[in-house]
Amino acid sequence: DQQVKQNSPSLSVQEGRISILNCDYTNSMFDYFLWYKKYPAEGPTFLISISSIKDKNEDGRFTVFLNKSAKHLSLHIVPSQPGDSAVYFCAASSNAGNNRKLIWGLGTSLAVNP
Amino acid sequence: GAGVSQSPRYKVAKRGQDVALRCDPISGHVSLFWYQQALGQGPEFLTYFQNEAQLDKSGLPSDRFFAERPEGSVSTLKIQRTQQEDSAVYLCASSLLRNQPQHFGDGTRLSIL
Repeated sequence: DQQVKQNSPSLSVQEGRISILNCDYTNSMFDYFLWYKKYPAEGPTFLISISSIKDKNEDGRFTVFLNKSAKHLSLHIVPSQPGDSAVYFCAASSNAGNNRKLIWGLGTSLAVNP
Repeated sequence: GAGVSQSPRYKVAKRGQDVALRCDPISGHVSLFWYQQALGQGPEFLTYFQNEAQLDKSGLPSDRFFAERPEGSVSTLKIQRTQQEDSAVYLCASSLLRNQPQHFGDGTRLSIL
């Protein structure tokens, strides 16, 4: 069963507009969430994270929102740029056990059109 | 470079051969993770090291998979008697401490013929 779900396989937006990528999770033990960006033939690049004690974290053009009651998080990119075109992965981890292994969604492919 | 380095980038092997994949983490990073990513999927956890100690190997698919990090820095993932279903991208990640973001290498794409 998929504990982290990204229900939109793809998203297309116009340059300069907002991109909103969504992620849902089922495991209430998750307390740390991350977004990664991935270009073809490269490894995932860390973008931004949020702890479950917060509901918002902002870094430049990137903002992550966390709604714990809905088990939902979203990544906002404003303004979107053509260089943002990539696959975006949502990942989550819990403090259970002895490591912080990441559980991943399937990714959303973002295309930003000039 | 200062990032996570993996070698080789591409590996082609015949079914039944043994392979070894190397990971050089970011210097000073205590935590090291291996993930397997199949085409069109998200990465899946294989194993975790804290320094030289392998604290979690619950994600290793079978006893043909073996990982080590003997001196707490470089790690090697070994797959014995490879099978076609082992074909995937193998990603290595490191983090300074357990509760900090993981930083990934570019992976090794393994193809088993």
